[in-house]
Amino acid sequence: LAKTTQPISMDSYEGQEVNITCSHNNIATNDYITWYQQFPSQGPRFIIQGYKTKVTNEVASLFIPADRKSSTLSLPRVSLSDTAVYYCLVVKAGGGADGLTFGKGTHLIIQP
Amino acid sequence: EADIYQTPRYLVIGTGKKITLECSQTMGHDKMYWYQQDPGMELHLIHYSYGVNSTEKGDLSSESTVSRIRTEHFPLTLESARPSHTSQYLCASSEWVSPGPEAFFGQGTRLTVV
Repeated sequence: LAKTTQPISMDSYEGQEVNITCSHNNIATNDYITWYQQFPSQGPRFIIQGYKTKVTNEVASLFIPADRKSSTLSLPRVSLSDTAVYYCLVVKAGGGADGLTFGKGTHLIIQP
Repeated sequence: EADIYQTPRYLVIGTGKKITLECSQTMGHDKMYWYQQDPGMELHLIHYSYGVNSTEKGDLSSESTVSRIRTEHFPLTLESARPSHTSQYLCASSEWVSPGPEAFFGQGTRLTVV
């Protein structure tokens, strides 16, 4: 599975848009990019997933350039409750006999 | 709300005791996972299964063992608990479908070995 690299931590303020970029230079053709959110003392929660271009849901947007070697999670108008750890994962389409490995994630802190 | 359950939520146990952490899901998912996570630290995959009677070790070596006799059930056992096993243990499950699987997590078991 492709290794991912993302910033260890980020700070922002309420009402701002936050963009977290993840690098995955060795992404394979049949890999998808998936983002999870984790609050303290809870398990991660799926946020969004994409293959290429742009995906948007009620929580976030995911931007993937044509070469797919990176992706950017965009959180619009963040609030204090968006303070969490955000993980970028590259997962193989079709499943397969692989585990689901999380990296260190990005600790996002939102201030008033 | 995901239908994956872990019991107990909290467990304090003495050194040397045998413990089993329970994980069940009602979604019919083929794949299940166990993770270990210390507060503020990285999630480490310790075991996973892609179906009944299949189990694999994860990225982090663990003294625990798992079994998958039924699709919905994936218990984790520590034969002899030690203080170094103190941690949070998270169970997850996902389908084996295309595109890549969305995993659902349980609430976790916080284990303290004294």
